[in-house]
Amino acid sequence: AQSVTQLDSHVSVSEGTPVLLRCNYSSSYSPSLFWYVQHPNKGLQLLLKYTSAATLVKGINGFEAEFKKSETSFHLTKPSAHMSDAAEYFCVVRYAGGTSYGKLTFGQGTILTVHP
Amino acid sequence: GAVVSQHPSRVICKSGTSVKIECRSLDFQATTMFWYRQFPKQSLMLMATSNEGSKATYEQGVEKDKFLINHASLTLSTLTVTSAHPEDSSFYICSAITPPVPQYFGPGTRLLVL
Repeated sequence: AQSVTQLDSHVSVSEGTPVLLRCNYSSSYSPSLFWYVQHPNKGLQLLLKYTSAATLVKGINGFEAEFKKSETSFHLTKPSAHMSDAAEYFCVVRYAGGTSYGKLTFGQGTILTVHP
Repeated sequence: GAVVSQHPSRVICKSGTSVKIECRSLDFQATTMFWYRQFPKQSLMLMATSNEGSKATYEQGVEKDKFLINHASLTLSTLTVTSAHPEDSSFYICSAITPPVPQYFGPGTRLLVL
C-alpha cells in the first residue's frame, strides 16, 4: 500500500523568504514522487517529479525537492517566495506495479499564502 | 506539454438528472485515463481508472452504476453522473497517461446539483 502525508495544511510566508512544504510517503515499492500546484479555478500543474534518478530534483518556477529515502520524505523548497506562488500544493506518489500503472495517491494538500 | 481538456468547465443541473463530462487528450493518445473527485478544501480522490476498450475499474466506495465511464477511443473518456443529487456536487478532474510519461490533468469540471 502507498500513502502520502503533507505535514502542514497551511503555510504562510513573506515575499522573498524561503518556502518549505513538507511531505512524507510510504510505499511498498520504489516510489515515483511528484509535486503538483493548483491555482484557484485552474487545473493541476506539474512542478517536478522524482523517478529514481537524481535525489535532488529541480522543477519549474525555482522550486526543488529532495528525495530522502532514509527519512521517507520529499519536501518541496524554494529560496525566495513570490506572490504568484500562492496556491495549493499537492505531494503525490505513483504506484508503479502490476496493472495499476499511473494510479496516483494525493496528499491532503498544503495551502501556501504569501504576504507582501 | 501535452494538453488534456474537459467539457464542460462548469455545469448546473437539477436533482435527478444526468450529466455527462468529457475528457479529451488533445495531442497524444492516452491508453489510460483517470477520473478524480475533489470536494471543497479536500484533496483529490481517485474514482476510477479507465482503459480504452475495456471496462473501467472503480475504487472502493464508488458506485459504478451511478458514475458511468466510457473510454471509447484513445483520446476521449466520458463520465456520466446519473440521477445526480446535491451530494454529487464537486469538482471532477480527469487525467490521461501513456506510460512512461507523467499524467497530464484536465482543468476540471465543477458540478453543482440543485
